[in-house]
Amino acid sequence: RKEVEQDPGPFNVPEGATVAFNCTYSNSASQSFFWYRQDCRKEPKLLMSVYSSGNEDGRFTAQLNRASQYISLLIRDSKLSDSATYLCVVNSVNDYKLSFGAGTTVTVRA
Amino acid sequence: NAGVTQTPKFRILKIGQSMTLQCTQDMNHNYMYWYRQDPGMGLKLIYYSVGAGITDKGEVPNGYNVSRSTTEDFPLRLELAAPSQTSVYFCASSSPGRVGETQYFGPGTRLLVL
Repeated sequence: RKEVEQDPGPFNVPEGATVAFNCTYSNSASQSFFWYRQDCRKEPKLLMSVYSSGNEDGRFTAQLNRASQYISLLIRDSKLSDSATYLCVVNSVNDYKLSFGAGTTVTVRA
Repeated sequence: NAGVTQTPKFRILKIGQSMTLQCTQDMNHNYMYWYRQDPGMGLKLIYYSVGAGITDKGEVPNGYNVSRSTTEDFPLRLELAAPSQTSVYFCASSSPGRVGETQYFGPGTRLLVL
């Protein structure tokens, strides 16, 4: 079983729509959770950390459900510039390493 | 402050050739990593280092070697290139204790082995 699993999508949404997707992780000892963004043929960049109580950053909302071992990302009022692949990232007990999901592709159309 | 730099950006190798992918960071990060990303797949950790002189294997180390003689540099060596090593290679660095929040990637090296 993969350590981090994501629905690959693609999610094709019109501008202004809301889109949400989940990621599941297998290691119950995982401690830290993040969403990274990767634009086509570019390097991944941190979008936001995911906190236990859930958190927002502008139009982006992240949630963590430890009991069911999943995290989610919701994007409100989608912009064309939100088109990207969103990577679910988990930092396990070992501080050194991150585990990356394969990514969920979002395409926002005009 | 350039962050993480990688060279070359793109390279074509013939089967059996060798090469070194260069990676340098100027953020004084202790931790450095090499990942590969195949189409439609997640990043897979090849090797990592927690400080100068210390390296360790990740998930997919076979066919690669690394060294870490300075804090700034973490080159990845491919010996006897194989078509299965065709991929995009990303180098990254981060700070201890805040790995997920401070992981910065280089722009990547696209490698094609024919």
